[in-house]
Amino acid sequence: QVQLQESGPGLVEPSGTLSLTCAVSGVSITSDYWWSWVRQPPGKGLEWIGEMYHTGSSSYNPSLKSRVTISVDKSRNQFYLILNSVTAADTAVYFCARGGSSSWHVVFDVWGQGTVVTVSS
Amino acid sequence: QSALTQPRSVSGSPGQSVTISCTGTSSDVGGYNFVSWYQQHPGKAPKVMIYDVSKRPSGVPDRFSGSKSGNTASLTISGLQAEDEADYYCCSYAGSYKVFGGGTKLTVL
Repeated sequence: QVQLQESGPGLVEPSGTLSLTCAVSGVSITSDYWWSWVRQPPGKGLEWIGEMYHTGSSSYNPSLKSRVTISVDKSRNQFYLILNSVTAADTAVYFCARGGSSSWHVVFDVWGQGTVVTVSS
Repeated sequence: QSALTQPRSVSGSPGQSVTISCTGTSSDVGGYNFVSWYQQHPGKAPKVMIYDVSKRPSGVPDRFSGSKSGNTASLTISGLQAEDEADYYCCSYAGSYKVFGGGTKLTVL
């Protein structure tokens, strides 16, 4: 079955760069899906970060757009999240998720288990 | 790009029905029929319960239903069961990006 698994450093220093990987198994990342990142600060709600299609098309949360890059590695069947200039407000559980077949289709049907990232010195 | 507005909490007794609202604007909920709902138990990843306003993925009980009127989408859970106790989030397309609601905690009394 389709599985997603996040990985990356659990601790990032303030003003540093957060880098996460989502490994996809059970389906090719070049299939007709958009691939997303969602985060959840401790005790708070979900926040959509952004998404990418394997062709390179992407869209981002306007509030994070200046600091976020999502990319895809077809050879590894993985996609990535880079968030620059992090602060304590970026401390959260970060989830990767499979989206729909079009950028306007809001359906995240497969999720990773989530990875905790803490921003602290 | 404010979060969609959901009640902080709702509650109901086993067997009853509850409805969770999700209010946005004409730029998101009201402008598109692309609203989904997610159930999240503590420490777990979210699970999609409804998409495209009212469609149910396979495996989701038909006790869960969705609807929309104007700028407000709704999730109704009928025949409440203990395992329905969880946080629920709506999510809508907003014309180039997606936005979640603030979340609603459902308590089964």
